[in-house]
Amino acid sequence: AQTVTQSQPEMSVQEAETVTLSCTYDTSESDYYLFWYKQPPSRQMILVIRQEAYKQQNATENRFSVNFQKAAKSFSLKISDSQLGDAAMYFCAYRPSGSRLTFGEGTQLTVNP
Amino acid sequence: DTGVSQDPRHKITKRGQNVTFRCDPISEHNRLYWYRQTLGQGPEFLTYFQNEAQLEKSRLLSDRFSAERPKGSFSTLEIQRTEQGDSAMYLCASSIRTGYSETQYFGPGTRLLVL
Repeated sequence: AQTVTQSQPEMSVQEAETVTLSCTYDTSESDYYLFWYKQPPSRQMILVIRQEAYKQQNATENRFSVNFQKAAKSFSLKISDSQLGDAAMYFCAYRPSGSRLTFGEGTQLTVNP
Repeated sequence: DTGVSQDPRHKITKRGQNVTFRCDPISEHNRLYWYRQTLGQGPEFLTYFQNEAQLEKSRLLSDRFSAERPKGSFSTLEIQRTEQGDSAMYLCASSIRTGYSETQYFGPGTRLLVL
């Protein structure tokens, strides 16, 4: 069974600084997709960034980038120039070539002014 | 594009009652997913549809749970004889699959409290 592990239940960062959220996963598949979703308090889940496993280049979306290490089964999210609006629960998720998403337990990010 | 919508947003019910939730996906999305999220945890997959066909169900989906997607548009999730353990956020997501590429977009969820 595929599992996704986020070892940091909570993280904090100063506004304008950089923070990295960790995620590891376990799979025997060779083709799959990885995602980071953001869930602000009492608000809906929003896609932050996605990575295709067959792509060696790390995905980037503005201030958000990933460090994808396929051999190590690691998929960390880096947030640069952190903003107050980045405060949320962040979930790492895995999807094989099938359908369902498997989520990690989440990391609660606090951004301090 | 109005995004995925869910109704109701909140539901309080007494143990033993039946409840039904509705999800309206993004138009033209042919896949629709249901997940359950308990406090402080990541969402867990329940079931999904491709058009009107229910293609996969999780073991979490006991026989008290039933989902439908008539005509391949909106979907309903019904819980019969609710139990306190059913209290959770029920999330709906939709997607359109092109080849292996697919990204799921989530609705705001329905928060269920069973007293």
